[in-house]
Amino acid sequence: EDQVTQSPEALRLQEGESSSLNCSYTVSGLRGLFWYRQDPGKGPEFLFTLYSAGEEKEKERLKATLTKKESFLHITAPKPEDSATYLCAVQDSGSARQLTFGSGTQLTVLP
Amino acid sequence: GAGVSQTPSNKVTEKGKYVELRCDPISGHTALYWYRQSLGQGPEFLIYFQGTGAADDSGLPNDRFFAVRPEGSVSTLKIQRTERGDSAVYLCASSFQGTTGELFFGEGSRLTVL
Repeated sequence: EDQVTQSPEALRLQEGESSSLNCSYTVSGLRGLFWYRQDPGKGPEFLFTLYSAGEEKEKERLKATLTKKESFLHITAPKPEDSATYLCAVQDSGSARQLTFGSGTQLTVLP
Repeated sequence: GAGVSQTPSNKVTEKGKYVELRCDPISGHTALYWYRQSLGQGPEFLIYFQGTGAADDSGLPNDRFFAVRPEGSVSTLKIQRTERGDSAVYLCASSFQGTTGELFFGEGSRLTVL
């Protein structure tokens, strides 16, 4: 059974204080790993797809990396508007199209 | 708007009642998904449609849950004999062909069963 574990559950940063969020996963075969952002009362919003170990993707202050066991979402010099819950999900190569999500990391960036 | 639309945004019902939740996907998206999200948890897969047919319904928790997409566009999630444990946010998502995990989610329907 696919499993996704995210840590920490919650993270508070000062504006400009860089940090990383962790996503550990277990799948029989990885089709893709996905990062989403979710604001309160909204649906998740797609950020990145990573397909193979060593791959990196960047968008503004966010950079996602992937190894064979985990993914990191690095946040450089965050701003208050980066406050949200960040969700990691995996797609197993054997399980059609469903995504298995972790419970998320709730990020708060203080001004 | 051009996004995924879900109605109602909020639904309060009594235990044992029947509920329908509607999803209108992005125009041209052939793949449609239903997920359920409980407080403090990530979304949990329920069912995936490719066109009109349910390609994967392995996430439906029991036979009280059923979903249709008769014309390959709008989908309805139907819950019979609701239970308090069904309380959650039901999220609908769509994607162009279902070939990637890049999903476009609606804002969800919050279901509360009293």
